[in-house]
Amino acid sequence: DAGVIQSPRHEVTEMGQEVTLRCKPISGHNSLFWYRQTMMRGLELLIYFNNNVPIDDSGMPEDRFSAKMPNASFSTLKIQPSEPRDSAVYFCASSLEPGTPQHFGDGTRLSIL
Amino acid sequence: AQSVTQLGSHVSVSEGALVLLRCNYSSSVPPYLFWYVQYPNQGLQLLLKYTSAATLVKGINGFEAEFKKSETSFHLTKPSAHMSDAAEYFCAVSDLGGGADGLTFGKGTHLIIQP
Repeated sequence: DAGVIQSPRHEVTEMGQEVTLRCKPISGHNSLFWYRQTMMRGLELLIYFNNNVPIDDSGMPEDRFSAKMPNASFSTLKIQPSEPRDSAVYFCASSLEPGTPQHFGDGTRLSIL
Repeated sequence: AQSVTQLGSHVSVSEGALVLLRCNYSSSVPPYLFWYVQYPNQGLQLLLKYTSAATLVKGINGFEAEFKKSETSFHLTKPSAHMSDAAEYFCAVSDLGGGADGLTFGKGTHLIIQP
């Protein structure tokens, strides 16, 4: 079975540019999560969706960050404009329903120069 | 608000020795607790979960964890370490009772296995 698929695996771009991270959850999973991992702050929940609807976006750091889930099989996390402090590994995870274990993708390593 | 504390950012054990990774949590409601493992350049993989059934939970790769409400702990153990266990381990809590379902993670513990 295919797991959570994230793209790109690596992204290097200059500050000020728009960055779009993509995620395809496991088929049939109704909950989707975006996390950010940094050395300083560890793993932080940014936002999560249930049945394509954003439930909690209190972890989104600034208005520069936005996330969408137009359908059950696709989600994006966008940063515009990007800044060096946004450099991190961004993980997408999905679960069958609230309360069930989350399955993680391999992450996108983002470097903003 | 829920939180997770993992004692020891690095733990080193000899191959064949007992592995003990500590996790303490705080939650305003009965928690759901998880241990995840992360290998270099990979995502997180679920090791085991506690969801208010048995307090001793067995997971993959020979790991187990015991939920102790009185100590608000959920420590991870493995009787005999293997070189392949070297990785980063994360304890996490889910506050389902409050309606939120995102995981709150500890800072992680890097497990080093000495030959």
